[in-house]
Amino acid sequence: AQSVTQPDIHITVSEGASLELRCNYSYGATPYLFWYVQSPGQGLQLLLKYFSGDTLVQGIKGFEAEFKRSQSSFNLRKPSVHWSDAAEYFCAVQKGNSGGSNYKLTFGKGTLLTVNP
Amino acid sequence: GAVVSQHPSRVICKSGTSVKIECRSLDFQATTMFWYRQFPKQSLMLMATSNEGSKATYEQGVEKDKFLINHASLTLSTLTVTSAHPEDSSFYICSAPGTPAIYNEQFFGPGTRLTVL
Repeated sequence: AQSVTQPDIHITVSEGASLELRCNYSYGATPYLFWYVQSPGQGLQLLLKYFSGDTLVQGIKGFEAEFKRSQSSFNLRKPSVHWSDAAEYFCAVQKGNSGGSNYKLTFGKGTLLTVNP
Repeated sequence: GAVVSQHPSRVICKSGTSVKIECRSLDFQATTMFWYRQFPKQSLMLMATSNEGSKATYEQGVEKDKFLINHASLTLSTLTVTSAHPEDSSFYICSAPGTPAIYNEQFFGPGTRLTVL
């Protein structure tokens, strides 16, 4: 079964500083990888996704992530953090794309981002 | 983009009562939907896969008689928490995979906050 590890429970950065959130996955085949953001009491918003091809993917709000197969990682980065980026970030892996239960997502435990002014 | 709605957004009920939560795909059809549960400051845990026209598939440890799922149409899945107790208080989120044209992206509802007194 697939699994996702987000080693950092809570990260604090200053506004304008760079950010990297770590994500490691465990899955036998090439995974479908996602990063989601959740503001308090809200649903999830997709930041970016990786299915295949270029291992550096660009997302919304200035985020990017790099898929590294050798390290089983899919770390999320942003060069300059804004106060509005404060939220919970979840990395997720999807088993496949052949329909039905293959679409279900396994989430990491999340990383809470605090942004200091 | 595709939109998933949930109703109600927030519900408070007395212990022992049943609560129904609706999940609708507003502008696309979804033969499969997923129900997740999120405890405060924790990750999303998949509860079950809702299948249109057939029985739901529950994850290990989820009581199917307690969490009744009905996928009545291609745009509606409902989750009924039967005989709710305080430990069922949680944030319930549904999701639906997009059509192939949206290439496997899943769309999440805004969530339903259930509080059982």
